[in-house]
Amino acid sequence: QVQLVQSGAEVKKPGASVKVSCKASGYTFTSYYMHWVRQAPGQGLEWMGIINPSGGSTSYAQRYQGRVTMTRDTSTSTVYMELSSLRSEDTAVYYCARALQYSGSYDYWGQGTLVTVSS
Amino acid sequence: EIVMTQSPATLSVSPGEKATLSCRASQSVSSNLAWYQQKPGQAPRLLIYGASTRATGIPARFSGSGSGTEFSLTISSLQSEDFAVYYCQQYNNWPPITFGQGTRLEIK
Repeated sequence: QVQLVQSGAEVKKPGASVKVSCKASGYTFTSYYMHWVRQAPGQGLEWMGIINPSGGSTSYAQRYQGRVTMTRDTSTSTVYMELSSLRSEDTAVYYCARALQYSGSYDYWGQGTLVTVSS
Repeated sequence: EIVMTQSPATLSVSPGEKATLSCRASQSVSSNLAWYQQKPGQAPRLLIYGASTRATGIPARFSGSGSGTEFSLTISSLQSEDFAVYYCQQYNNWPPITFGQGTRLEIK
């Protein structure tokens, strides 16, 4: 069965970086695009970007350009999202989500990773 | 950027009754619209994609309709497990992919 398992919760200081992992299993890793979506406490969903696990190409939301890097490791079927220059407003749950083939909707989600930014 | 606006913000409905949630796009998204359900402490779950296609395993009481800029999600007979927050998402013009702010469906 398809599973996306994310790394555990993180606490970071302002200005630091965080790298969240998302390990995929149960399907052909390189056949489905992966997106990252975040959700601040009590707030809605916000799209951060996409990575093509096959070639590694990426596209990021403009508001994160220069601060976010998405990568993948095909040998372990894992995608990564690194966010730098953290500020308190980056406190959120970060989700990886697999895009349904030929669609931009997400049929499988990771369990979420809470990143807390606090001095 | 396409802005998605959901209404109402909160909807109070009794179990067994019908609920209709609305989503409006600031410009046409064709039928490239999805609906998600999210319960506290859980990741969102895909209900509908392509504006009207139910995702795998989603009960028939959930239905989606609309195209262009106006969409709706209808839950025909509310069950206790349906009370949650619902989000619409457009994936027609991106980046960025955008979501509505959510509708909280609560028990009346």
